[in-house]
Amino acid sequence: AQTVTQSQPEMSVQEAETVTLSCTYDTSESDYYLFWYKQPPSRQMILVIRQEAYKQQNATENRFSVNFQKAAKSFSLKISDSQLGDAAMYFCAHWSNNNDMRFGAGTRLTVKP
Amino acid sequence: ETGVTQTPRHLVMGMTNKKSLKCEQHLGHNAMYWYKQSAKKPLELMFVYNFKEQTENNSVPSRFSPECPNSSHLFLHLHTLQPEDSALYLCASSQSGGYQETQYFGPGTRLLVL
Repeated sequence: AQTVTQSQPEMSVQEAETVTLSCTYDTSESDYYLFWYKQPPSRQMILVIRQEAYKQQNATENRFSVNFQKAAKSFSLKISDSQLGDAAMYFCAHWSNNNDMRFGAGTRLTVKP
Repeated sequence: ETGVTQTPRHLVMGMTNKKSLKCEQHLGHNAMYWYKQSAKKPLELMFVYNFKEQTENNSVPSRFSPECPNSSHLFLHLHTLQPEDSALYLCASSQSGGYQETQYFGPGTRLLVL
């Protein structure tokens, strides 16, 4: 079975600074996608960024980028120029083509003004 | 944030009660999902419906019974629940259930079983 591990239950960052959230996963599949979702205190989860396993180039979305290390099964999220609105729970997720979707336990990010 | 709605937002029920959670998506999607979110645990995928057909049931106890009458609506019928079933239940939808797709989540129903 696939597992997704987020080793940092909580992280904090100063406003305008950069923070990296860690995620590792275990899978026997070769064809899959990885996702980072954000769940603000209002609880509606939204997609931050996603990465296809076959693409070597790291995905970027404005201030959000990933460091995808396929051999190491690592998928970290970097948030640059952190803003107060980035404060949320962040969930790493793995979804393979056999329709098995797994989430990590989440990292709570606090942004200090 | 009105693409996927869930009602009720909060629910308290006794172990002998029967209740239903409702989810509606206004995005024209064909796949819908139920998740259970417990504190400090990973999100657990419970059920997947694709074009109204159930395609996944991740060993969920029979006291949880899903229903998908059409692509826009998804229900989770609850009966004789246990206190450990207390959690946030999230509904999500995606275009057609593909593993590359973005899922759009509702705000969740906070369930407390007494």
